[in-house]
Amino acid sequence: SQTIHQWPATLVQPVGSPLSLECTVEGTSNPNLYWYRQAAGRGLQLLFYSVGIGQISSEVPQNLSASRPQDRQFILSSKKLLLSDSGFYLCAWIYHMNTEAFFGQGTRLTVV
Amino acid sequence: KQEVTQIPAALSVPEGENLVLNCSFTDSAIYNLQWFRQDPGKGLTSLLLIQSSQREQTSGRLNASLDKSSGRSTLYIAASQPGDSATYLCAVRAGSSNTGKLIFGQGTTLQVKP
Repeated sequence: SQTIHQWPATLVQPVGSPLSLECTVEGTSNPNLYWYRQAAGRGLQLLFYSVGIGQISSEVPQNLSASRPQDRQFILSSKKLLLSDSGFYLCAWIYHMNTEAFFGQGTRLTVV
Repeated sequence: KQEVTQIPAALSVPEGENLVLNCSFTDSAIYNLQWFRQDPGKGLTSLLLIQSSQREQTSGRLNASLDKSSGRSTLYIAASQPGDSATYLCAVRAGSSNTGKLIFGQGTTLQVKP
C-alpha cells in the first residue's frame, strides 16, 4: 500500500533562519507531488507541484523553493524565513489524474 | 479562474441527524471532485472521489453527488455521530490542466453534539 511521510510534525524557527521540510512517498512510482500551505483562517493554497524528478513548478511568488531530488522525495526549502511563512504545510501525491489525492500529516511551522 | 465555495462555514447538529454540506465551483470544466475530512492539527483524509462523468459516490454513511453543469456538489452524512466532528473540504481538479492540482474550498466545520 502507498503511504506518505512528512517531517518534522512541528517546527519553531526564528526569522531569517533556513528551512527544510521533507516529504517521502512509498509504494508507488512516478507520482505527481504537491506542496500546499494552510494559513490560519484561509483555505489550502498550492505552492509547488512536480510531475517528475527535477521538474518543479511554482504557483505563487514567494520566499520558498522546492526540489525533487528523487522520484518519491519532495523537499520544501527557504534560505531565510519570514514571519509570513508561518502556517501548516501539507504534502500530497496522486498517481494519475483519475485517482485520489493523498495527503501527509502536515508540518506546523511557526516563525518567531 | 476556478473558485470553490463551501456553505455553510460552520454547522452544529445533534447526534443522529442527517445533514448536507454544499460545495459550488465556478468553472464546470473539471476533471473530478474530491471530498476530504480534516481533524484539528492533522492532514487531510480522502473521503470520496467523483469523476466528472459520475453523478454520485457512496461510502458507508457518506454520499456525495455531483452536478457538473450547475457547478455543485453535496456531501450527505447519514445518522451523524460525534466522531464525524471535523472540517470537511471539497476540492476540484481542473479539466484544462494536466498537472492534477486541486483547488479547495474554505471548508465546513461540523460539530455533532452527543
